[in-house]
Amino acid sequence: SQKIEQNSEALNIQEGKTATLTCNYTNYSPAYLQWYRQDPGRGPVFLLLIRENEKEKRKERLKVTFDTTLKQSLFHITASQPADSATYLCALGEKSSGSARQLTFGSGTQLTVLP
Amino acid sequence: NAGVTQTPKFRILKIGQSMTLQCAQDMNHNYMYWYRQDPGMGLKLIYYSVGAGITDKGEVPNGYNVSRSTTEDFPLRLELAAPSQTSVYFCASSPPVGLAGGELFFGEGSRLTVL
Repeated sequence: SQKIEQNSEALNIQEGKTATLTCNYTNYSPAYLQWYRQDPGRGPVFLLLIRENEKEKRKERLKVTFDTTLKQSLFHITASQPADSATYLCALGEKSSGSARQLTFGSGTQLTVLP
Repeated sequence: NAGVTQTPKFRILKIGQSMTLQCAQDMNHNYMYWYRQDPGMGLKLIYYSVGAGITDKGEVPNGYNVSRSTTEDFPLRLELAAPSQTSVYFCASSPPVGLAGGELFFGEGSRLTVL
C-alpha cells in the first residue's frame, strides 16, 4: 500500500543547531515533493519544492534533499531559532495522479526549538 | 490581496444537519481544493476543481458535495452531518499544476464539530 511517513511526531532541538526532518515514502512515483510549515490554528504555508530530477534545493536557512533511490527527502533548518517551532508537512505530487496533480500529505513533524 | 478566505472559522452542528463551508480566492487561480485534517493525520483531499464548472472527487469525498460556478468561489456542502465529519477543513488554490508541481495557497481553516 502507499504510505508517506515523517520521522517522529515531535522533534526537540536546541537553538542554533540544525534540525533535520525526514520524509519517507512507499509505493509512490513522485514527480516532485513539497514542504509546508503549519502553525497552530493556521493553514499550511509553502516552503520549498524539489523535483524528481533535482538532488538538493536551498532557500535561506532551509535545505531540502530528494533521493528517489532511497525514497526519502530530508528537510534541514540550519541555525534554528525558536521562531522555527511549528509542524512541518511533506507532500508528494505523484506522476500518475489526475490533472490536478493531487498532493498526498504526510502527517507532519512537530518541531520545537528550545532557547 | 486577501488570498484564500474561508468562512465560518468555527461551527458546531448537530447530527443530521447540513451546512456549507465557503471558500473564496482573489488570486485568479484555476485550481481549487478542499482538504480535511484530523489530529495526527495528514491532509486528506476531499474534492478539487480545475476550473469553473469542473469538479472531481479526491480521496475522501463521501458525505460532501461541491460546486464551482465562478473562478473565485468553491463552496463545500455537508449533507446530513455525522460525527465522523468533525475535523478542520482547509480550502486551497493554485495556478494550473503539471508535472513540474506548484505551490498551494491555503486558507486559515474552518473547524467543524458534529455532536
